[in-house]
Amino acid sequence: GQNIDQPTEMTATEGAIVQINCTYQTSGFNGLFWYQQHAGEAPTFLSYNVLDGLEEKGRFSSFLSRSKGYSYLLLKELQMKDSASYLCAVSLNQAGTALIFGKGTTLSVSS
Amino acid sequence: DAGVTQSPTHLIKTRGQHVTLRCSPISGHKSVSWYQQVLGQGPQFIFQYYEKEERGRGNFPDRFSARQFPNYSSELNVNALLLGDSALYLCASSGSLNTEAFFGQGTRLTVV
Repeated sequence: GQNIDQPTEMTATEGAIVQINCTYQTSGFNGLFWYQQHAGEAPTFLSYNVLDGLEEKGRFSSFLSRSKGYSYLLLKELQMKDSASYLCAVSLNQAGTALIFGKGTTLSVSS
Repeated sequence: DAGVTQSPTHLIKTRGQHVTLRCSPISGHKSVSWYQQVLGQGPQFIFQYYEKEERGRGNFPDRFSARQFPNYSSELNVNALLLGDSALYLCASSGSLNTEAFFGQGTRLTVV
């Protein structure tokens, strides 16, 4: 079966740094995606890792270790608008849109 | 350019009825996938179509079916609706291999 685990909830304060972890055990692996989803809205793409290492994109960074089945999303200089659900997803095949999602981590940022 | 568009945005159906949801991918995108998202959970993969052929299927009953048309738009059909089918149905499109999936705003289906 497919299994993707991430914490259910996290809280942080404005300006802080938060790391959201994701572990996965899947039948295939063709990349790991992080999506942000605000309540009532569609998921929006944040990052993609297919090779081990760190990918940085502004305030957001994502890390992948394929041997450990582990990834994290790092959010720096947190803002109130970063309050959302963060979804970790593994792509099972090359077309990139057959994604297995974790249940999501709800991040609450307070002032 | 328009993003992924889905119709309708909201729908209320009665148990036992049939429903058809529609999705238009971003222009030039040939891959379309469907997901079901119940409240408080991550999206669950239902189907993937690429170049009009089914390329993947999630763990959903045969009541769920889909197809992709020559213009790459897609339909998701659900027969014999159950209360548990109430969810947000998301469509995602992708341009080529190993690229990000762009999601539509979804169709909120309520089965009563």
